[in-house]
Parts: sequence; C-alpha cells; structure tokens
Amino acid sequence: GDSVTQMEGPVTLSEEAFLTINCTYTATGYPSLFWYVQYPGEGLQLLLKATKADDKGSNKGFEATYRKETTSFHLEKGSVQVSDSAVYFCALKETSGSRLTFGEGTQLTVNP
Amino acid sequence: GAVVSQHPSRVICKSGTSVKIECRSLDFQATTMFWYRQFPKQSLMLMATSNEGSKATYEQGVEKDKFLINHASLTLSTLTVTSAHPEDSSFYICSASYRGRETQYFGPGTRLLVL
Repeated sequence: GDSVTQMEGPVTLSEEAFLTINCTYTATGYPSLFWYVQYPGEGLQLLLKATKADDKGSNKGFEATYRKETTSFHLEKGSVQVSDSAVYFCALKETSGSRLTFGEGTQLTVNP
Repeated sequence: GAVVSQHPSRVICKSGTSVKIECRSLDFQATTMFWYRQFPKQSLMLMATSNEGSKATYEQGVEKDKFLINHASLTLSTLTVTSAHPEDSSFYICSASYRGRETQYFGPGTRLLVL
C-alpha cells in the first residue's frame, strides 16, 4: 500500500537558518504530493503541492520538488522565522480516489 | 475561500454518553468529507470517507456503529461518538473536498475528552 516517511523530529533551528524536512514515499501509481502545516491548537493547512514529476510547489518561502527518481518531496526554506514553528506533514494522494496518506509529521521549533 | 469549520472546538463528556461533532464547508459545496483522528504527537488516521447522500466508507478497524457519520447535505457532515469511553479521547479533524478538485480543506479540529 501507499506510505509516506518523514524525517524524525523534533527539529530545532535558530531564526534565519536553512530548513530541510525530508519526505519519501511509496506508491503504486503517480500520486500527487502535498505538504500540510499544523500550527499549535489548529487544524491542518495546505502549504504547497505538486501533481507530477519535476513540479515544484512553493508558498510562503517554502519549496518542495517532486522527484520521481528518488521518490522524494523534501521541504525546504532558506530562512526560517519564529512564526514557522509548527508541525509539518507530508502527504500523498493517488491519481484515482480522494484518500490522503500522511507521514508521521515533523515538529519544527524556531528560536529567536 | 474554501473554509471548513468544526463545532464544538472542545468538548468534555462523561463516559457512556454520546457526542456529536459538526463539520461545515462555509463557502463551497463539499461533495466528499473525511474524518480523521489524531493522537498526541502522531499523524492523522483516516477514519472514514463520506459522500453527500450516501453511506460513509469506514477504514479497517474503525467501528461504524460507534462512530456514526452522516453527510446529509453538501455543506454539513456530522460525526457522533456513541457511548464514549476514555479511550475515545482524541483530536478529531474533518476535511472536505469538492468535485474535480483534489485538495482537501481541513477544519480546525475538535478536542474530545471523555471522563
């Protein structure tokens, strides 16, 4: 079955540091890939997505590129802010159907 | 756009009682709604998928008689936890999508505490 594996957290960075959160996936078809963010006490918000190989999703300074050859969708940001502190979830959705499969989530804390 | 609300945001109930959680799409017609459960510091576990006007499809291991899901309209789905027990305490999150779009829009979640 489909699965998503994220790098283990928690991740603690200083403000303006470079962020990478690794995400790899296993899927039978050609899934769409997503990053969701969950701020403390809130539900998930879509951060970015990519629907086919080599697509790059970007939003709020975050980027992730759909790499079919390495089955990866790593999240990056060049300079994190304290307000980026949250839990980040990588997810995939197969072409057919509407079901999302989530990774375990990675807690990010950014210190001033 | 694409806002999903949940009510209540937090509920405390006694063991053995039933609790209803509402999920509403405020500015779009949600042809499909999803219910997830999230344990502390863990990922989301899909409980069931519901399409408007039809019965929900439950994931393996989820008791459909305990977690009743109704999707009576294109803007409202409800999850009723029947005869709640302390082990049902969790964060319940709904999401919604509409025909032709693959993105799911998530509600803010409902924290249930069963005493």
